[in-house]
Amino acid sequence: EPEVTQTPSHQVTQMGQEVILRCVPISNHLYFYWYRQILGQKVEFLVSFYNNEISEKSEIFDDQFSVERPDGSNFTLKIRSTKLEDSAMYFCASSDLVGLAGGAETQYFGPGTRLLVL
Amino acid sequence: DAKTTQPPSMDCAEGRAANLPCNHSTISGNEYVYWYRQIHSQGPQYIIHGLKNNETNEMASLIITEDRKSSTLILPHATLRDTAVYYCIVRGAYNQGGKLIFGQGTELSVKP
Repeated sequence: EPEVTQTPSHQVTQMGQEVILRCVPISNHLYFYWYRQILGQKVEFLVSFYNNEISEKSEIFDDQFSVERPDGSNFTLKIRSTKLEDSAMYFCASSDLVGLAGGAETQYFGPGTRLLVL
Repeated sequence: DAKTTQPPSMDCAEGRAANLPCNHSTISGNEYVYWYRQIHSQGPQYIIHGLKNNETNEMASLIITEDRKSSTLILPHATLRDTAVYYCIVRGAYNQGGKLIFGQGTELSVKP
């Protein structure tokens, strides 16, 4: 069964360093997402991406964050200068196109990357 | 997307059916009800979704009331591995590519 994969599973970094989190979405999917979950808190939406551009972003997704689809398979989240409060689980998700008539679009999540900023 | 309300926690005996309720009284006609679960800190796992009719798949059944203001996720024979946080999310059919809004969910504990 196709699945979303993420690397690395764990990342430890120093405050102020840049990190890149990588995701390989399900191969025929066209919509890509990043969510994060701070320990003990809810899963929060960060950004959605379609047709090589950001579709929607949350208030959390400030100038320190960027996303990219550098090739046909990878989808990355970059944090330019990490802060202590960026420590969280980061989840990538992808979904297929359901068509102009609408319908039930299902997002499938990866296992996450646990980011720890020291 | 309509807001949902779920009990914060529930217990279930292993082998018994787990019935997880969700209220979504402001749901509109083109909004689907989705259920996801999260085991420990793993990625949310899609379970099932529905619009009006009851749905069943290999994981669970979804019962949606006739007025669509509430629904119940049924795990017919709960196992210890079903211990997780279960999220009920309402989302518009035309909200292609839009975010999922997670609440606090219901923490289901399956006990031996």
